[in-house]
Amino acid sequence: AQSVSQHNHHVILSEAASLELGCNYSYGGTVNLFWYVQYPGQHLQLLLKYFSGDPLVKGIKGFEAEFIKSKFSFNLRKPSVQWSDTAEYFCAVRPNTGNQFYFGTGTSLTVIP
Amino acid sequence: NAGVMQNPRHLVRRRGQEARLRCSPMKGHSHVYWYRQLPEEGLKFMVYLQKENIIDESGMPKERFSAEFPKEGPSILRIQQVVRGDSAAYFCASSINTGELFFGEGSRLTVL
Repeated sequence: AQSVSQHNHHVILSEAASLELGCNYSYGGTVNLFWYVQYPGQHLQLLLKYFSGDPLVKGIKGFEAEFIKSKFSFNLRKPSVQWSDTAEYFCAVRPNTGNQFYFGTGTSLTVIP
Repeated sequence: NAGVMQNPRHLVRRRGQEARLRCSPMKGHSHVYWYRQLPEEGLKFMVYLQKENIIDESGMPKERFSAEFPKEGPSILRIQQVVRGDSAAYFCASSINTGELFFGEGSRLTVL
């Protein structure tokens, strides 16, 4: 069965610290990859996505993610977090053979001012 | 993204009652997905529909839960005879061609 693993469940950082959230998936074929963010009390919003091409993807608000095919990973990074980045972050994978999106369990990020 | 509209935003039901959650996808979107979110458990896929068809309902509980996406009108997630364990946030997402999902604000169901 397809699965998406986010190993960091809760992350606490001080402002200006660097962030890296892990995402690994289990699927051997071609995939589309996504990171979504859910701010407190709000709906999920797309941060960035990878379909093909340059494996280093730039998203909104200074986020980026790198697709490493050999590691089945799509880790999210930001060099310097802000208090406003406090949110829940979800990694999602869509195998290109179907229309199903598989989400990880999410990582809760708290940024301390 | 205010394009995907869900209502009601909050719904309170007593055990044994029925809950109906509605989702109007973004204009032009024909793919609708329903997810359930429980604290500490992330998003759990429930069902994927296209107009008038259920494409994948592998995440739906076998009993009490049903979904539809009629030719006209919103998609509806229906939960019969609700129990306390049904309390959760239910999110709808739509897609024009499954390239990416656009989420609604969610419906929070509380079962007393």
